[in-house]
Amino acid sequence: EVQLQESGPGLVKPSQSLSLTCSVTGYSITSSYRWNWIRKFPGNKLEWMGYINSAGSTNYNPSLKSRISITRDTSKNQFFLQVNSVTTEDTATYYCARQTTGIPFAYWGQGTLVTVSS
Amino acid sequence: EIVLTQSPTTMAASPGEKVTITCRASSSVSYMHWFQQKSGTSPKPWIYDTSKLASGVPDRFSGSGSGTSYSLTISSMEAEDAATYYCLQRSSYPWTFGGGTKLELK
Repeated sequence: EVQLQESGPGLVKPSQSLSLTCSVTGYSITSSYRWNWIRKFPGNKLEWMGYINSAGSTNYNPSLKSRISITRDTSKNQFFLQVNSVTTEDTATYYCARQTTGIPFAYWGQGTLVTVSS
Repeated sequence: EIVLTQSPTTMAASPGEKVTITCRASSSVSYMHWFQQKSGTSPKPWIYDTSKLASGVPDRFSGSGSGTSYSLTISSMEAEDAATYYCLQRSSYPWTFGGGTKLELK
């Protein structure tokens, strides 16, 4: 079965970049589906951030404007999130997730807490 | 952007009680999806395409609705149902979640 796992720094300073990795096992990210990043803020609000699909095309939430980038390394079966110019409002638990046929976000990583603080 | 408004924000139900959570969309959507999240765990798909139960979801759960109004119903509350429930729309970008409904056991 497909498994996803997030990794990356738990603490980022304001104005710097947040970079996370989602490592995928059990399924090739180039085979099919959209590979998403979602975050949950301290107040429990969930936000879909964007995805990269199996062909390598991306789609981002406009709320993140030009700060977000999702890329991948197909040789390692990983995809990445980068958010530039972070502020304290980017403090959240970050999840990677994949759909399945008909079911959005059927598979999730365990989530990783990123705190933005000086 | 389609805004999803859930109600109530929090509620408590006794064992055996019927529970209904509502999700209203600011514009019409084709389907609504629901997720359950318990503290310290990742969200789980719960109901998809408005009324289909995800694998392992008890049949005391049901989903319904159309257009701008959708609901998740528990026919008879059980202790394990205490969680936060979120609705999600994928009809238009950006995909958006509701603010969540925290359901507690009374």
